[in-house]
Amino acid sequence: QVQLVQSGAEVKKPGDSVKVSCKTSGYTFTSYATHWVRQAPGQRLEWMGWIDAGSGKTKVSEKFQGRVTFTSDAFAAISYMEVSGLKSEDTAVYYCARPPRGITALDSWGQGTLITVSS
Amino acid sequence: SYVLTQPPSVSVAPGQTASITCGGDNIGSKSVHWYQQKSGQAPILVVYNDVRRPSGIPERFSGSNSDNAATLTISGVEAGDEADYYCQVWDNTIDRAFGGGTKLTVL
Repeated sequence: QVQLVQSGAEVKKPGDSVKVSCKTSGYTFTSYATHWVRQAPGQRLEWMGWIDAGSGKTKVSEKFQGRVTFTSDAFAAISYMEVSGLKSEDTAVYYCARPPRGITALDSWGQGTLITVSS
Repeated sequence: SYVLTQPPSVSVAPGQTASITCGGDNIGSKSVHWYQQKSGQAPILVVYNDVRRPSGIPERFSGSNSDNAATLTISGVEAGDEADYYCQVWDNTIDRAFGGGTKLTVL
């Protein structure tokens, strides 16, 4: 079955960078995009962008442009999200997720990675 | 940006029907998806493309969409349905967008 397993929680200082991994299994990695969604404590889900695992093409939400980078390793079937210039407002649970073919929903999700930014 | 508006909270007694709305400009022309998120867990897709249910989702969950509001309806509500529910659409200007979420309380 489709599985997305994310890296563990991290604590960072303001100005640091963080890279979260999303290891996938159970499907052909290069045939799907990986999306990233974050959720600050008590807040709504916030879509961040996606990477097409086959072509490497990415799209980053306007809010995160210039600070967020998506990459992937097709051989290991892992997607990565890196956030630079961390601020306290970036404290959140970060999720990777996969859409079904031809549908704009997200039907498979990772377990989430808590990133805490604190001085 | 495309704004999706949901009521912050909905309360319903067990066995009754809960309706959660999602408003947006001309939302009837878009495909709306709904997610259930229980405390401390990742979201689960419960309705996609307005009305379709993923495998494993009970028939008690249904959706509709027209004009400026989409609705998630949960019939015969159970205690285990207590969760936050989010709507989501795709728009060609902003890609994905989520609503603000609705907390469903089962009385």
